[in-house]
Amino acid sequence: AQSVTQLGSHVSVSEGALVLLRCNYSSSVPPYLFWYVQYPNQGLQLLLKYTSAATLVKGINGFEAEFKKSETSFHLTKPSAHMSDAAEYFCAVSDSTGFQKLVFGTGTRLLVSP
Amino acid sequence: DTGVSQDPRHKITKRGQNVTFRCDPISEHNRLYWYRQTLGQGPEFLTYFQNEAQLEKSRLLSDRFSAERPKGSFSTLEIQRTEQGDSAMYLCASSLPMGVNEQFFGPGTRLTVL
Repeated sequence: AQSVTQLGSHVSVSEGALVLLRCNYSSSVPPYLFWYVQYPNQGLQLLLKYTSAATLVKGINGFEAEFKKSETSFHLTKPSAHMSDAAEYFCAVSDSTGFQKLVFGTGTRLLVSP
Repeated sequence: DTGVSQDPRHKITKRGQNVTFRCDPISEHNRLYWYRQTLGQGPEFLTYFQNEAQLEKSRLLSDRFSAERPKGSFSTLEIQRTEQGDSAMYLCASSLPMGVNEQFFGPGTRLTVL
């Protein structure tokens, strides 16, 4: 079975500060890993994905994440937070075989203060 | 717009009533997924279609839930005899059949059972 743990249900940063959202996964098969963002009353939008190619993955809006197999982690970072980054962020894992359903973490709400 | 669409966006119903939601996936996507998201949680997988075939159902999908995709295009999710515990956001996603399963999500249908 696969699972994802997101540490911290809320993360607060100041505008311009580093954003770090933590994600640890568990998978018995090589995983695909994803970060999605959800704005209020909207669906999920894919930020970036890891598919066993480069371990450092760059996504949209200046976000990136690094796959670390030894730590079973896939943390999301952004060098400088913008007010528009305030949203809910979900880490998800799927297996690389079968029909690849997504297993999501419980989410981290990012709060950005001026 | 060629994204995933869902209808209705909001549904308020009384306990015991039946409700039906519709999802229109991206046209060339033959994989279709339904997820449920309750307040403060990440989305949870409900069911999966490849073309018109329903290939996987979660244990979360009780006998009161039924999903169809009759012609391999749009899909419907019906809940019979709704209960207050069914109140949630119901999300639909679609993806291409091959390669990495990048799922594209619709805006969701928010169900409130009174």
